[in-house]
Amino acid sequence: KNEVEQSPQNLTAQEGEFITINCSYSVGISALHWLQQHPGGGIVSLFMLSSGKKKHGRLIATINIQEKHSSLHITASHPRDSAVYICAVWYYGQNFVFGPGTRLSVLP
Amino acid sequence: GAGVSQSPSNKVTEKGKDVELRCDPISGHTALYWYRQSLGQGLEFLIYFQGNSAPDKSGLPSDRFSAERTGGSVSTLTIQRTQQEDSAVYLCASTPRAGGDTQYFGPGTRLTVL
Repeated sequence: KNEVEQSPQNLTAQEGEFITINCSYSVGISALHWLQQHPGGGIVSLFMLSSGKKKHGRLIATINIQEKHSSLHITASHPRDSAVYICAVWYYGQNFVFGPGTRLSVLP
Repeated sequence: GAGVSQSPSNKVTEKGKDVELRCDPISGHTALYWYRQSLGQGLEFLIYFQGNSAPDKSGLPSDRFSAERTGGSVSTLTIQRTQQEDSAVYLCASTPRAGGDTQYFGPGTRLTVL
């Protein structure tokens, strides 16, 4: 069964803190996506990874294919980073499976 | 337009009625995806289209759901004989090609079945 897990489920941080959200999956994939969903519901794609590491501004995403694990890091967190972060894996032309999401609140 | 558009933005219907939800992807994107998100729940993959290939319908929740994509562009998700459990936000996304590209999401259609 293709499963995607995320941890933590909820996370509260103080502004400026370094944040890590983890994603693990059960079988081989062709790509992994990190998505951001703001309280209003809109979804934005942050990263698509098939190997290695990507960086965009204060966000960094890494993936370890052998360990079937990915992390999303936020440096110098800010209240506007408050959102639900969702990991999604794409299985070789078949379908997407989504993690349950991590709800992040960054306090000023 | 510059992004993925969906219509209607909101739809309220009575149980048993049929509804059609429309998605207009970014021009030139060959892959189009449908998802749904029930209240307080995570995202659920429904179906995707890659070019003119026949889609895999196994992700659709029941045979009341169907989807088509005409001319490789606009897609319609149809729900027949709606049930209250169909109430959700239905999201569409497109990418230049399937799976391996950044997804561009539409704003969604909020469906409420009374």
